[in-house]
Amino acid sequence: GQQVMQIPQYQHVQEGEDFTTYCNSSTTLSNIQWYKQRPGGHPVFLIQLVKSGEVKKQKRLTFQFGEAKKNSSLHITATQTTDVGTYFCAGRSGGGADGLTFGKGTHLIIQP
Amino acid sequence: DGGITQSPKYLFRKEGQNVTLSCEQNLNHDAMYWYRQDPGQGLRLIYYSQIVNDFQKGDIAEGYSVSREKKESFPLTVTSAQKNPTAFYLCASSIGRVAETQYFGPGTRLLVL
Repeated sequence: GQQVMQIPQYQHVQEGEDFTTYCNSSTTLSNIQWYKQRPGGHPVFLIQLVKSGEVKKQKRLTFQFGEAKKNSSLHITATQTTDVGTYFCAGRSGGGADGLTFGKGTHLIIQP
Repeated sequence: DGGITQSPKYLFRKEGQNVTLSCEQNLNHDAMYWYRQDPGQGLRLIYYSQIVNDFQKGDIAEGYSVSREKKESFPLTVTSAQKNPTAFYLCASSIGRVAETQYFGPGTRLLVL
């Protein structure tokens, strides 16, 4: 079945440093979504990418979808303590009733 | 105030007992889901439902059961057959098809003693 891998599993950064998490799928994806889960909270939708090579920005967050639609990345510029949490990618391959497959997430820890 | 509610926030049960987790949404979403999250792990799909009176097994359905008698409700029963039920359970919904944006409830932490 479809597998979605995320790296790194944990990332420690100093406040103000940049952060990137990478998502790789074993199959071509029709779309990819990113979610953020704060400590003790629940996942919250951030963005969806659909087109090959698509790049979207949300303030300090930049999301990319690979040309082959098998990988994606999330980059945060100048991290702030509010960025702490776990970032998940979730992809869907194929049509019909296929659901989303979530990666295991990248835990971002920020040291002030 | 629209959203997804899960109750209770924390739940304690003795080993061997069945327990039912509640999930209600007033977003008028067709699809609903149950995920399990273990410490430091991602989300694993237990069951999902695209329409009332219909549901499908996810990746880890063994030891769980669901019902979808009403559009707004999708309760999950953790049965005694589930070997390791202690986990964080998240309910989610989406407008239509299963791969659209998912909106999550606050979750229920189940501890089986």
